[in-house]
Amino acid sequence: DIVMTQTPLSSPVTLGQPASISCRSSQSLVHSDGNTYLSWLQQRPGQPPRLLIYKISNRFSGVPDRFSGSGAGTDFTLKISRVEAEDVGVYYCTQATQFPRTFGQGTKVEIK
Amino acid sequence: EVQLVESGGGLVQPGRSLRLSCTASGFTFGDYAMSWVRQAPGKGLEWVGFIRSKAYGGTTEYAASVKGRFTISRDDSKSIAYLQMNSLKTEDTAVYYCTRGSSLNYWGQGTLVTVSS
Repeated sequence: DIVMTQTPLSSPVTLGQPASISCRSSQSLVHSDGNTYLSWLQQRPGQPPRLLIYKISNRFSGVPDRFSGSGAGTDFTLKISRVEAEDVGVYYCTQATQFPRTFGQGTKVEIK
Repeated sequence: EVQLVESGGGLVQPGRSLRLSCTASGFTFGDYAMSWVRQAPGKGLEWVGFIRSKAYGGTTEYAASVKGRFTISRDDSKSIAYLQMNSLKTEDTAVYYCTRGSSLNYWGQGTLVTVSS
């Protein structure tokens, strides 16, 4: 199974400041079709998860442009350019390159 | 508007069975694969399984932790995906979410399954 490792596990951030979350996979996420199926999810308190980013860097419908994804191969990053109060929650990276699908442990973003 | 609504959760004794349903609306259900993901209380996300659309054979994949006990099926005429859970264990206690596609681009609100004697 592909192991997804996120750092940090907790990220206290000042409102208006940037935040960054790293995700590393135990093997390359490049699929045989040439795509890299790495996504980022946000889970606000008491809510179901929500897709933010798919295929490394594509923002899903309705996702603010302060969220961006980057990376390649086994190393990926989610950045929030200026954290807002509504961004509080847990963020997960996940891969769909290979079964079983796996998730990172989650990174809790909170306001300082 | 895409909507996914899970139902069928509840309290069940270890060793018993339960069937969850995911009723979809707002899109052509038959065109999409569907996934089930669970979240134990206070824990992270765990992928449960996946069913392809009929165009891709309607075949399924499962996590090792549920393989042989859980079965995913679909009724495209009713826009419903099912998760049949047999031989339930206490460690299956979780909120179960259905999600659309392999990219998990839409999620339901989830249904809580509690396995306890």
